[in-house]
Amino acid sequence: DAKTTQPNSMESNEEEPVHLPCNHSTISGTDYIHWYRQLPSQGPEYVIHGLTSNVNNRMASLAIAEDRKSSTLILHRATLRDAAVYYCILFSYGGATNKLIFGTGTLLAVQP
Amino acid sequence: EAGVAQSPRYKIIEKRQSVAFWCNPISGHATLYWYQQILGQGPKLLIQFQNNGVVDDSQLPKDRFSAERLKGVDSTLKIQPAKLEDSAVYLCASSLAWTASYEQYFGPGTRLTVT
Repeated sequence: DAKTTQPNSMESNEEEPVHLPCNHSTISGTDYIHWYRQLPSQGPEYVIHGLTSNVNNRMASLAIAEDRKSSTLILHRATLRDAAVYYCILFSYGGATNKLIFGTGTLLAVQP
Repeated sequence: EAGVAQSPRYKIIEKRQSVAFWCNPISGHATLYWYQQILGQGPKLLIQFQNNGVVDDSQLPKDRFSAERLKGVDSTLKIQPAKLEDSAVYLCASSLAWTASYEQYFGPGTRLTVT
């Protein structure tokens, strides 16, 4: 299975930007980069995904390196509600990663 | 838009008993997933349905777990008999289609405790 590497934990201050890194050096050409997050006692929540180009949505931005071997999830202004475990996952249809394989993710703490 | 519904939210049973979980996906979503999340770990896919057909059940312990999705809508996941190591949160998710370009929507989960 194509793997991702994320820091176990990160801290941020409220209203500051947060950059969550993810390394995926064995990514294949058909792998999409998906980010999900899981708030305490809830099911995972989709955040964003991309293939090659940077992506923006109402929740976050995804910056993908030119060689696609790493990516960064950017929360522009962290709030206390953003405290969660963030999962970076490679997902491709019909390939070796044709399912969401969750690792242990990055536990983000947001300080007021 | 209503989200993925699951019931019950909590269940406590003794080992060797049986238990069933129910999931109602988002209307119109063809793909349905069941995940198991053990405390401190990320969710693990147990089974995936495309409409009412099984696409992937490679990680489903078939000697004790079973799942069905009748009429391609609701789904049930059953454990019989339960073991202590089955204590976990069971998550149901659905997506519009089975491609990497579609996101999955998760329900709140059912927390199972086996004593």
